[in-house]
Amino acid sequence: QLQLQESGPGLVKPSQTLSLTCTVSGGFISSGNYYWNWIRQPAGKGLEWIGRIYTSGSTYYCPSLRSRVTMSVDTYKNQFSLKVSSVTAADTAVYYCARGSAEGYDYWGQGSRVTVSS
Amino acid sequence: DIQMTQSPSSLSASAGDRVTITCRASQSISSYLNWYQQRPGKAPKLLIYDASSLQSGVPPRFSGSGSGTDFTLTISSLQPEDFATYYCQQSYSTPETFGQGTKVEIK
Repeated sequence: QLQLQESGPGLVKPSQTLSLTCTVSGGFISSGNYYWNWIRQPAGKGLEWIGRIYTSGSTYYCPSLRSRVTMSVDTYKNQFSLKVSSVTAADTAVYYCARGSAEGYDYWGQGSRVTVSS
Repeated sequence: DIQMTQSPSSLSASAGDRVTITCRASQSISSYLNWYQQRPGKAPKLLIYDASSLQSGVPPRFSGSGSGTDFTLTISSLQPEDFATYYCQQSYSTPETFGQGTKVEIK
């Protein structure tokens, strides 16, 4: 059974960089025709797709976040990562990693709550 | 960006009721439409993909239909564990956008 687990600081200061890692277990991140996604959800609000990365390293980012987002993948560690620079309170959210394809996001991490505050 | 609009935003229903949620895309997305269930404090769970295909392990009381711009999620007989928020999502083009969600509450 594939499992995804987010990890990273729960508190980030304004203007700094938010960094999260998603570790995939129970399968290889490079297996199959999948891409690896980050999705976030502010408290009490809906889901926002941040972007995705393929194991080739190709990326697609949400246009509204593109200038601040960087994703990377490490196939040897079976991990992929997210960085969001110059964060503000608006970036406070639960951040999810998820495996995706044209048939939706079928495996999700449990979510990592990140608060932006001084 | 493709905008996804769900209706209603919330509904109240009783166990055993038939429930229908609709999702409309701002342009045609063929059948690239997926539905998720999210219980409080939990990650979303994929229910339906490709508009009408049931994800493995999902009870058959859930069904989806539609193509182009108009889609429907139906729960044939609402169970206590189905009280949750439901989201549609298009996987036709990036950015992959979600509807705003429909909260199904107990009447």
